[in-house]
Amino acid sequence: EVQLVESGGGLVQPGGSLRLSCAVSGFNFSNYWMSWVRQTPEKRLEWVANINKDGSDTFYVDSVTGRFTISRDNAKNSLYLQMKAVSAEDTAIYYCVRPVSAYWGRGVLVTVSS
Amino acid sequence: DAVLTQSPLSLSVTLGQPASISCRSSQSLLYSNGNIHLSWFHQRPGQSPRRLIYEVSKRNSGVPDRFSGSGSGTDFTLKISKVEAEDVGIYYCMQGTFWPNTFGGGTRLEIK
Repeated sequence: EVQLVESGGGLVQPGGSLRLSCAVSGFNFSNYWMSWVRQTPEKRLEWVANINKDGSDTFYVDSVTGRFTISRDNAKNSLYLQMKAVSAEDTAIYYCVRPVSAYWGRGVLVTVSS
Repeated sequence: DAVLTQSPLSLSVTLGQPASISCRSSQSLLYSNGNIHLSWFHQRPGQSPRRLIYEVSKRNSGVPDRFSGSGSGTDFTLKISKVEAEDVGIYYCMQGTFWPNTFGGGTRLEIK
């Protein structure tokens, strides 16, 4: 059974940093591109970042470019999202996603507030 | 970015009646390989989005055949032939032809 389990969310102050993790099981992680997608409190969905199979290529939506970094550790079956210089607009549920066959985790809440 | 506009914003449907949701793209979603990467997702309250349809009209495994997708170029439609109680929630279209992938604003379906 494919499972994606996010962790690392919580309350962070504006300008602060946070690192999200996604533990994956049930499939050969190193064979798939992976992504992070977020959903705002207003229920708007935004595709945040993509990473290729070996982590050598990454893609970001303009709103997070230069602040967020997607990475992966294939030996640990894990996906990460390093978030820096966060603002209130980054408040959202962050989902770990395997685009092929569209598997989504349950999401982790990130709240940016002082 | 490809902007996806959904209509209506909300839908109130009697059980057993049909429902239809439109998704219009600001640019053609036809990819260079001839595919159109337009998907439909359904999100129930408190759950993650679940993909129903991909490449305009292909149903995900386990999706009931009362759900169907159609369209081409810039105009797409999700139809539910007979709405059931479990169909409540928010429906989103999504394009994967261009980076960044983008979603429509969502259509909320409720039972009348």
